[in-house]
Amino acid sequence: DAGITQSPRHKVTETGTPVTLRCHQTENHRYMYWYRQDPGHGLRLIHYSYGVKDTDKGEVSDGYSVSRSKTEDFLLTLESATSSQTSVYFCAISDAGDSSSYEQYFGPGTRLTVT
Amino acid sequence: QKEVEQNSGPLSVPEGAIASLNCTYSDRGSQSFFWYRQYSGKSPELIMFIYSNGDKEDGRFTAQLNKASQYVSLLIRDSQPSDSATYLCAGALGGFKTIFGAGTRLFVKA
Repeated sequence: DAGITQSPRHKVTETGTPVTLRCHQTENHRYMYWYRQDPGHGLRLIHYSYGVKDTDKGEVSDGYSVSRSKTEDFLLTLESATSSQTSVYFCAISDAGDSSSYEQYFGPGTRLTVT
Repeated sequence: QKEVEQNSGPLSVPEGAIASLNCTYSDRGSQSFFWYRQYSGKSPELIMFIYSNGDKEDGRFTAQLNKASQYVSLLIRDSQPSDSATYLCAGALGGFKTIFGAGTRLFVKA
């Protein structure tokens, strides 16, 4: 995994509690992304960042917030977890590359269960 | 809504055969396309990307792009049981944001 770690790797939490997932990269890539992956839906973009303190919403951002205070760290927060947020969460990074292709590289994922 | 569509499968091929995975996209502005392989319980792994019409080959893998038909494909030659995985097609909409298809499950029978 191209220098990307996620923590925790597994978490079980109760409905209504706040949860923060961390993504850390050592590649100095400008762009970072949070996705969730659910059966039948593929990867859906939650939020992304195009620089320190620069973030924007993806297609499924309701109930999630993000922060990026350093190039290497991108945090995803569930303010008040709900059972519908039970999912596998992937962080990804990208940069322009030689051909401006912005191919993304993924972290190992976090499996979150909200009971 | 910009979309990337894939047949969910499963696609089953015998060992040694050519596996053909297909993908269509709705946004004519899409510039780059990617194929990822994802084993069960693992994260997606980039196999190839393509941004020019035509074919791009890398080992046993060939990506094909036809922008006029809005069609992307991945051919896997000499398929092996270790190729059994879900293959995700993705399109970059003129920049760093990428739309993923739901994936096609491939089974290679020994």
